[in-house]
Amino acid sequence: AQRVTQPEKLLSVFKGAPVELKCNYSYSGSPELFWYVQYSRQRLQLLLRHISRESIKGFTADLNKGETSFHLKKPFAQEEDSAMYYCALSSGSARQLTFGSGTQLTVLP
Amino acid sequence: NAGVMQNPRHLVRRRGQEARLRCSPMKGHSHVYWYRQLPEEGLKFMVYLQKENIIDESGMPKERFSAEFPKEGPSILRIQQVVRGDSAAYFCASSPRSEPYEQYFGPGTRLTVT
Repeated sequence: AQRVTQPEKLLSVFKGAPVELKCNYSYSGSPELFWYVQYSRQRLQLLLRHISRESIKGFTADLNKGETSFHLKKPFAQEEDSAMYYCALSSGSARQLTFGSGTQLTVLP
Repeated sequence: NAGVMQNPRHLVRRRGQEARLRCSPMKGHSHVYWYRQLPEEGLKFMVYLQKENIIDESGMPKERFSAEFPKEGPSILRIQQVVRGDSAAYFCASSPRSEPYEQYFGPGTRLTVT
């Protein structure tokens, strides 16, 4: 069975500080990994996916198959980054997403 | 493009009543997914549908829950004889055929069972 673990429910950093949101997964095959974000009063939206290897809003995430991790990083956090972040996995031909329980990021001024 | 639409946004039902949740996918999207989010938890997959077909319902409870996506009209998630444990936020997502992993989410329906 596949599982996504986000060990931190809450994370606070100061503006300008680096931020890392942790995500670990368990899946025996080759997964597709995603980060979704939900800003206050907005709907859940895709932030980035590992195969595109792009940086969105300054965020990057690298898939580490050895450590089965897909941590989300940003070198300099901004107040507008405050949101709920969900790591998600999709496996093989199945199109369903398996979500972690989310991390609420607060960037303090 | 208005995005994925869900209605109602809030639904209150008494135990034993039926709940009907509607989802209109984004224009041009033919794949619909339903997820449920219980308090303090992440979203859990329920069912994946294409027009007139249920493709994967592995996350649906065996009883009382059903889903459809007719040729015309929105997708409907139906919960019969609701119980308190059905209280949750229900999210719908849609994706284009060409990009199955880019799921666009609706605002959700918050169901409260009293």
